[in-house]
Amino acid sequence: DAKTTQPTSMDCAEGRAANLPCNHSTISGNEYVYWYRQIHSQGPQYIIHGLKNNETNEMASLIITEDRKSSTLILPHATLRDTAVYYCIVDSGGSNYKLTFGKGTLLTVNP
Amino acid sequence: GAVVSQHPSRVICKSGTSVKIECRSLDFQATTMFWYRQFPKQSLMLMATSNEGSKATYEQGVEKDKFLINHASLTLSTLTVTSAHPEDSSFYICSASSPQGQRTEAFFGQGTRLTVV
Repeated sequence: DAKTTQPTSMDCAEGRAANLPCNHSTISGNEYVYWYRQIHSQGPQYIIHGLKNNETNEMASLIITEDRKSSTLILPHATLRDTAVYYCIVDSGGSNYKLTFGKGTLLTVNP
Repeated sequence: GAVVSQHPSRVICKSGTSVKIECRSLDFQATTMFWYRQFPKQSLMLMATSNEGSKATYEQGVEKDKFLINHASLTLSTLTVTSAHPEDSSFYICSASSPQGQRTEAFFGQGTRLTVV
């Protein structure tokens, strides 16, 4: 079973920030928070990951709460091409690395 | 970032025939690759772990004789759907793991849409 809980769907206006929440209350100390997204009929695409500190890259920002029980993925200026299913996954990323996907959040960016 | 290429992207086959799907890591060596299946409006479900030079490990409920996996080199894993039936129609996705320091990251292929008629 997936170790995360995400809303089923969200809407966002084009050009606005999209904030996607994720609860992972049972996360272990050595587990990272990963975010992937899947645009329709494509393979998942890595977005960002973090352990404890907030992270930012060219795609998004990841805010992890101090207790690490939840996180938020932020797309600062959503575009129509950001419409996708966003998956929040916790994993240790060790040698036996296989991802367990939950249902994710369908983000729809509206014009 | 690392690139994983999957081929073909789409395939239509007749019921009873076999279909081979290739997954290649283009710029890194992958000792482990993973095969997922995704039905419409559902999430990705892990089918099996492909290990270079050894037998694949299948998830519960996945028939190893139906879904043959070969990982003969560090850059190529193949999934063969044998005696395909319409219920095998699905989106098949592979991923390859690449060590990134102390972590391992997964990179996904673009997926293969299999339609069995």
